This record gives sequence, C-alpha cells and structure tokens, in this order.
Amino acid sequence: GENVEQHPSTLSVQEGDSAVIKCTYSDSASNYFPWYKQELGKRPQLIIDIRSNVGEKKDQRIAVTLNKTAKHFSLHITETQPEDSAVYFCAATSRVGANNLFFGTGTRLTVIP
Amino acid sequence: GAGVSQSPSNKVTEKGKDVELRCDPISGHTALYWYRQSLGQGLEFLIYFQGNSAPDKSGLPSDRFSAERTGGSVSTLTIQRTQQEDSAVYLCASSLVAGGYNEQFFGPGTRLTVL
Repeated sequence: GENVEQHPSTLSVQEGDSAVIKCTYSDSASNYFPWYKQELGKRPQLIIDIRSNVGEKKDQRIAVTLNKTAKHFSLHITETQPEDSAVYFCAATSRVGANNLFFGTGTRLTVIP
Repeated sequence: GAGVSQSPSNKVTEKGKDVELRCDPISGHTALYWYRQSLGQGLEFLIYFQGNSAPDKSGLPSDRFSAERTGGSVSTLTIQRTQQEDSAVYLCASSLVAGGYNEQFFGPGTRLTVL
C-alpha cells in the first residue's frame, strides 16, 4: 500500500519568514495530494491540494509543488503569521478512483511573533 | 450548512468493554470514512463506505473493529473488547462522492480513552 513520509515533525519560524514542509510517497499510481491544517483541538481542514497532472499550485500565501519523478511534494507558506500555527498533514491517494487517503505523520508549525 | 458531526465527543471506558462511536455525514454526501489519530501521529485510515457498495475495510487493525452505515447516511464504528492501545481520537469524514479529487470534510472527532 501507499506510504507517506513527512518532514520535519516540528518547525518554528519567525513571523514573516517562510515555512516549507516536505512529503514523499511510495505508490507511483497516486494522483491526488491534499494538505490539511489542524488547529489545536479542532478538526482537520483542507487548505490546498494538487493533482498529478500539475506541477505547482498557489493560493495566496500557500503553494504546493509536486515532483512525480521523485515522488515528493511540498507545502510552502510565505509571510507566515501567528494564525498559521497548527499541525499540517500531507496525504496521498493510493490508486486511481480510490478515496481513502494515506496521511503523513504531521508537522507542528509554530510561528513566533 | 451543517458539517459532519460525531458523538460522543469524549468516551472513557474500561478495558474489555465495547464502545460505539457515531458519525453523521454532511447531507447528500455518499462517501464516508473513518480514521484514527493517535497522540502525535497522523491519521490512520480505517474504513470507508461509498453509497451501497461493499465497504473498504482494509484499514481496520483487528477483527475487534467493525463499522456499519445504515441507510447510506449515519455510520457507527464499534470496537469490541477495547484495549488500552485503542485510545485515540476517532475521526469521521465525508465527501460528495468517492474519487480522489473530492474534498473530505472531517468531523470534530471522538476522543476515546481506555483505562
């Protein structure tokens, strides 16, 4: 089955700096890669996703890049703000048409004011 | 509109007891998923339902775990003879249809503590 690895497990940045979280996946058939943000005590929420036919996607201060050859994808947050502090999870689908996501172990991001 | 809801929000039980966790998906969503989130860990897929199709049970960790989805809506996750290692937050999610491009909306979770 699919195996998703995520690094780093914790990340602290100064407010205004950029943050990068990286994930790798094992199944070359995976074709959908969402990122979820989970604030303390709250439910995970989708913040951005990318499909395997796209190399990069941006949404304001958030961007995701995908390298299918290397089987890795990354989340980039620019101009970080304290409200960006949360746990971020990457995920991947295992096969075309499937819907069960395989998640990374999460990155706890702390933005220091 | 109403999001995914789960009950109870917290459940404390004794080792060996059975527990039932409930999930109400977003109205109209045909796909429903259960995940488990252990402390400091990612989300572990357990099972998912798509309409009236047979569920994908490939993530269930043991035969003590089972789930039902009645009428294509509400789902119940049952854990029999609970063990301490079952302690975790159990998250339910739903999506409009199955298929990797469909956003999964999560419920608030049920925190299960097995003493």
